[in-house]
Amino acid sequence: GEEVAQTPKHLVRGEGQKAKLYCAPIKGHSYVFWYQQVLKNEFKFLISFQNENVFDETGMPKERFSAKCLPNSPCSLEIQATKLEDSAVYFCASSRDRSYEQYFGPGTRLTVT
Amino acid sequence: KNEVEQSPQNLTAQEGEFITINCSYSVGISALHWLQQHPGGGIVSLFMLSSGKKKHGRLIATINIQEKHSSLHITASHPRDSAVYICAVDGLRKLVFGAGTILRVKS
Repeated sequence: GEEVAQTPKHLVRGEGQKAKLYCAPIKGHSYVFWYQQVLKNEFKFLISFQNENVFDETGMPKERFSAKCLPNSPCSLEIQATKLEDSAVYFCASSRDRSYEQYFGPGTRLTVT
Repeated sequence: KNEVEQSPQNLTAQEGEFITINCSYSVGISALHWLQQHPGGGIVSLFMLSSGKKKHGRLIATINIQEKHSSLHITASHPRDSAVYICAVDGLRKLVFGAGTILRVKS
């Protein structure tokens, strides 16, 4: 597709439940990035992929967060045992190559109650 | 000190005014991005630049690599320009974001 697609738009989970978010990058883009926006303007890098390989995962809280990008499937970001502080908007972005601009999806708003 | 500093944090302008938003960074970068986040939350990439100046419509972005500084200018501002403008620097492998500038243009 010509836009980055993210599902679901909104996700509500009780503390301790699992949350799974999906991202379909633009067709032909080989890089996928996940970002977390906790407060209105604070973005944090989580993880990036080059095709199905992890490119950089230095931002991932590894105890509870995991992510995958498998061939012919949307990329996913999974949070096991969600905590209140995981409440945020999670944005996915894709780019054609490392040095090209990133196109952002509409985001998934996760609310942990 | 944050790696990316934006100023001002908040900006209110009258329609038609010339607007400047500044971004300073302290790390080595391969490129700098200017992003616009609408009140509804959607993010649009405005510019990606690694040197000089780029122009798109009423928007102009400049970067000075030696001084580690970039500016985003909006000419003839309009209420529809009201949004959060975010500077993000592209380090070795990821984007590092500034805190954003909340712009409100009044008619």
